[in-house]
Amino acid sequence: AQSVTQLDSQVPVFEEAPVELRCNYSSSVSVYLFWYVQYPNQGLQLLLKYLSGSTLVESINGFEAEFNKSQTSFHLRKPSVHISDTAEYFCAVRTYMDSNYQLIWGAGTKLIIKP
Amino acid sequence: NAGVTQTPKFRVLKTGQSMTLLCAQDMNHEYMYWYRQDPGMGLRLIHYSVGEGTTAKGEVPDGYNVSRLKKQNFLLGLESAAPSQTSVYFCASSYSSTYIHTDTQYFGPGTRLTVL
Repeated sequence: AQSVTQLDSQVPVFEEAPVELRCNYSSSVSVYLFWYVQYPNQGLQLLLKYLSGSTLVESINGFEAEFNKSQTSFHLRKPSVHISDTAEYFCAVRTYMDSNYQLIWGAGTKLIIKP
Repeated sequence: NAGVTQTPKFRVLKTGQSMTLLCAQDMNHEYMYWYRQDPGMGLRLIHYSVGEGTTAKGEVPDGYNVSRLKKQNFLLGLESAAPSQTSVYFCASSYSSTYIHTDTQYFGPGTRLTVL
């Protein structure tokens, strides 16, 4: 069965500094990977996803993630964070279980921006 | 276009009480999901539905029941609440396509449930 590991429960960074949020998944033949963001007191919303094609995917607010098949990783990066990026970030992978496709979620990483 | 809405937003129950959480979506999505979110554990799928009149068990279905009588609504019921069911509950929906679950899931704002 697929699994997703987000190694860091919290990542504190200073404003305008770069950040990387790590995500590793257990290997599978075909992989669909997602990053969702949850702002305080809100539901989750899709940040970006990898289905096929270019291994580098970008979001509209400056985040990017790279699918690395050999390292089974899908790390999220941003070159310069803003206070508005304060949120919890979840990595997810599609898996086939009990005759249906489902999303398996990581435990989440809280991004804490220090002024 | 309200997206995905959930009622209620907050609820406190006593052990053994029952309640129903309502999820509604106005995007004509086929698929709907109920998750629970607990600190340090991410999201866990409780039940889901691939269309009106259908339901299926997720990762943690015990103690919960669901119904999808109308396409736009997905109800989550707790028959006899237990303190272990204290959590934040999220409903989500997605559009049906050939590539199931590669489509974006749209989430509601959540229901914070406390069972005493």
